[in-house]
Amino acid sequence: DIQMTQSPSTLSASVGDRVTMTCRAGQSIGYWLAWYQQKPGRAPNLLLYKASILESGVPSRFSGSGSGTEFTLIITSLQPDDFATYYCQQYSTYPWTFGQGTKVEIK
Amino acid sequence: EEQLVESGGGLVQPGGSLRLSCAASGFSFSSYWMHWVRQAPGKGLVWVSRINTDGSGINYADSVKGRFTISRDNAKNTVYLQMNSLRAEDTGVYYCARSRGPGATCVGYWGQGTSVTVSS
Repeated sequence: DIQMTQSPSTLSASVGDRVTMTCRAGQSIGYWLAWYQQKPGRAPNLLLYKASILESGVPSRFSGSGSGTEFTLIITSLQPDDFATYYCQQYSTYPWTFGQGTKVEIK
Repeated sequence: EEQLVESGGGLVQPGGSLRLSCAASGFSFSSYWMHWVRQAPGKGLVWVSRINTDGSGINYADSVKGRFTISRDNAKNTVYLQMNSLRAEDTGVYYCARSRGPGATCVGYWGQGTSVTVSS
């Protein structure tokens, strides 16, 4: 199975901050990576797919980059609605695998 | 409006069985691959299984292979997850989800989940 490792596990930030989190794959997955946002008690929500393509309706302050084994999710100017847990997922090879998540907390 | 509504969760003893259902509406169900993803209490997301549009292509996570079976009924717009030989570590919320677009794309839309508790 392809292991996905996210860092940091927890991130403390303030409204207006630029936030960066990373996702590393145990082997090359090309650009077959998605990012999801999950709030407590809610289902996840797709933010980006193919590493950098913004899903329809997702604010442009979210952006993604990377290919191969290293990927980044950036939130420019963090908003109150963005405090949540973020997961990356590879869909290059079965079984698909998620990272363990990065929780964005209020500083 | 697009909807995925899971049902069938509940409390079951170790070694028991449950069948989860996911009723889809608001989109062309037969055109999309469907997935099950689970989340143990306080833990991260774990992809469980996927099925393609006509049921001819199926994959499972290693942790459920041989115990869980995914299936679909396109006439009923429903996907199922038959779970046998349940273990305590199968406890969690089970989400039904569809691919973002037709074919092999990432998970794009999720149901609200159904809770499964495996305990004696």
